[in-house]
Amino acid sequence: DTGVSQDPRHKITKRGQNVTFRCDPISEHNRLYWYRQTLGQGPEFLTYFQNEAQLEKSRLLSDRFSAERPKGSFSTLEIQRTEQGDSAMYLCASSLGSGTYEQYFGPGTRLTVT
Amino acid sequence: SQQGEEDPQALSIQEGENATMNCSYKTSINNLQWYRQNSGRGLVHLILIRSNEREKHSGRLRVTLDTSKKSSSLLITASRAADTASYFCATDTGGGTNAGKSTFGDGTTLTVKP
Repeated sequence: DTGVSQDPRHKITKRGQNVTFRCDPISEHNRLYWYRQTLGQGPEFLTYFQNEAQLEKSRLLSDRFSAERPKGSFSTLEIQRTEQGDSAMYLCASSLGSGTYEQYFGPGTRLTVT
Repeated sequence: SQQGEEDPQALSIQEGENATMNCSYKTSINNLQWYRQNSGRGLVHLILIRSNEREKHSGRLRVTLDTSKKSSSLLITASRAADTASYFCATDTGGGTNAGKSTFGDGTTLTVKP
């Protein structure tokens, strides 16, 4: 399967702990996006990359959140000092870019902060 | 707040009937996309319509776009139980390097009864 993959699929952590999620996009895709989705709502944009460059970071993203995409391949999203309000599904998507904007989503990482 | 708002929030129909979902948005767009999300799974891209297009078809799907009213509709004809899912519209409002960044609505939950 050459789709977008995310790891882990589920993460349960205690408040105050740090967590890191990984996303592997479709190999030829230049753009990579992170979204957060809570129950009953649509995905909320967090940040996105064009190759290794981070183009934009949502105002929703506090300083506890950081994302990287070294070498323009996989990406990681780290949340430091997790809070219960961080509990959500974290979705990663990729697209070809260069005028082609259909996004292909991974299955998501469900984070539960206890 | 989200750029797009879907209407209705929930829709329940019998198999074989048509389902229509609407999306309204606030600012000018480059394109509008519709996605489907089955319960607990990632989003699947359905169709993209550009701002200079008025109607687009893909199989049993028909999408219209009225930029003067800032609205779009998704019609699913001859619905099947497998169409049961949440449907989201996503608008791309960015220019230059921001092109391709999508803002999602909160979705319409469609239930198709066999």
